[in-house]
Amino acid sequence: GAVVSQHPSRVICKSGTSVKIECRSLDFQATTMFWYRQFPKQSLMLMATSNEGSKATYEQGVEKDKFLINHASLTLSTLTVTSAHPEDSSFYICSAVQGAGDRNQPQHFGDGTRLSIL
Amino acid sequence: ILNVEQSPQSLHVQEGDSTNFTCSFPSSNFYALHWYRWETAKSPEALFVMTLNGDEKKKGQISATLNTKEGYSYLYIKGSQPEDSATYLCAFSGATNKLIFGTGTLLAVQP
Repeated sequence: GAVVSQHPSRVICKSGTSVKIECRSLDFQATTMFWYRQFPKQSLMLMATSNEGSKATYEQGVEKDKFLINHASLTLSTLTVTSAHPEDSSFYICSAVQGAGDRNQPQHFGDGTRLSIL
Repeated sequence: ILNVEQSPQSLHVQEGDSTNFTCSFPSSNFYALHWYRWETAKSPEALFVMTLNGDEKKKGQISATLNTKEGYSYLYIKGSQPEDSATYLCAFSGATNKLIFGTGTLLAVQP
């Protein structure tokens, strides 16, 4: 149980393209989902907390107009990287927490998306 | 800035060896400490969520301890197998509803 599906797994596209990444909880409902980014040899860095039915909460230094998050249902959150540039190339991964999202509950992760902007 | 540190950065052991890693985290405003195992080309898998000082948790041959007063957790693997090869991540949860991750310990178990 507690499976999270993330698509696509890899994207290679030209500079200026917008890229949408989907994160779905397949067998549970998630009020809260999280979006992380990982640069080489660094830790997973939280970008934003996605809340179903309300606006996402962005971490300091993350541009909300650049990284659009939509959490339209209890099983789906999307991250859109708008007008992507080479510096946006990174590994993006989502996670979801069952139920109300208490932080003593484990997070269930997708497989991640490797984004390469040429 | 809250810092979570893991050591060692990487570890190479032989099959059957027992091993352990360390996670250091802030000792103030502690709420929970998470351990995840992340195999190559797969998603991170939750191992433990620990909340109480002195907690010890076990899953098969893997166990973890927690000291919230001094801000560290140990993860032990008894009799490592090649399938235990992965990156082991710890993450700290404090005053806010978010996890702060360490950079992980990469374990390679050679047959």
